[in-house]
This record gives sequence, C-alpha cells and structure tokens, in this order.
Amino acid sequence: SQQGEEDPQALSIQEGENATMNCSYKTSINNLQWYRQNSGRGLVHLILIRSNEREKHSGRLRVTLDTSKKSSSLLITASRAADTASYFCATDMFGNEKLTFGTGTRLTIIP
Amino acid sequence: GAGVSQSPRYKVAKRGQDVALRCDPISGHVSLFWYQQALGQGPEFLTYFQNEAQLDKSGLPSDRFFAERPEGSVSTLKIQRTQQEDSAVYLCASSLKGSNTEAFFGQGTRLTVV
Repeated sequence: SQQGEEDPQALSIQEGENATMNCSYKTSINNLQWYRQNSGRGLVHLILIRSNEREKHSGRLRVTLDTSKKSSSLLITASRAADTASYFCATDMFGNEKLTFGTGTRLTIIP
Repeated sequence: GAGVSQSPRYKVAKRGQDVALRCDPISGHVSLFWYQQALGQGPEFLTYFQNEAQLDKSGLPSDRFFAERPEGSVSTLKIQRTQQEDSAVYLCASSLKGSNTEAFFGQGTRLTVV
C-alpha cells in the first residue's frame, strides 16, 4: 500500500516558473526522499531530508519537512523543459530501510 | 557498470508461464530491493536483501513470487504461473548498507502477461 499521497496529481506550468508539489504520509519516519521518474527511465534520487531537519536545498530544489503535519513539499525554481517528469516522495522508518512511495505528481513544463 | 542494471528490459509472457528477472546492483552495495510499479502508480515494495540474506519479503503478493541473491550480488526475481495482474514494471534498487543512504534504481523490467 502507498504510504501517502502527493498533491497535486498533475501540474502544468510555463518554463521559468516555479513548481511546488506536496507529499503527505501516515506514519512516523526516519527519512523522506524525493525521486524523479522520466518516461521510460528509472527513478533518479533528488534529495534526502532527515526527520530532524526542516529544510534542505540542492541547486534549484528546495525541500521542507513538517513532521508535526506529516507533510513535505518540493519546490523547483526556474523550471526547465527537462524537469518534465513524475515526482515521488518516499519515506523510510527507523530500523527499516525499505522505501514507501507516494502516488506521484506528474509535472509538465510548457516551453 | 556505473549503475544498477536490469534484464530483460521488456518481457512478454503468456499467462501461466514462469519468468525470471535479473538485477545487477552497483558493486559493493550491500542492500538490494525489489519494487513493483503498476501503471500510473508509485513503486510498491516487494522484498529486501542485505548481502545474501532476505530480511524482508512482506511485500511479495503471493507464493508465486520468489527472490534470491545467493552470493550477495546479483539477484533474481522469479514469478511462477504468471497472471495478468502481474503485468507491471519491476524495479530493482541497491544502496550502501544502512539508513540515511540514497537508493539507486535500475531502469526496470516491463512485464506484460497476455
């Protein structure tokens, strides 16, 4: 079963705009990760945030984590056509390495 | 190779046929995972190895699914007597041991049961 849900399910924006997607999960976690999946390609790891962290940056990516609300957000700034993909959050729990994925957000960047 | 390699990339099986899917993890990665991804959904956990030991197989949907990693490197996921509901992309991932580490995914095997 899926751990959580991503919101929105689909998002279309103009190139250059910022994209924000949200993830909610159900149980206490150790880490939360974001992955990108292009059509026909595997999942690519974007960023990992630990449960004791609140915000993390990597290039054009900004991730926040609110463990009290069991939610996370991924912001992609200055979007590019190459950012078109599905984005998934995934969580793991203390003492268990397996990842539990959300349902994904399908992002389309319009050139 | 630099990444996780899976073969075959595509497999069409007749209902009732047995299939075997192979995963070559990144060299030196202790942990290996199998996930199943249905169309339009997120990946769902199937099973997990640490070296050759299968530590968690709670996600395997039925006893028709079997996974092994006999020498702690290459892994095989076997599905016996395939059914149409087994059609999905099967993803393999590997990571250095322990939490707080990134999992690297292969490109997957797309299984279609007809």
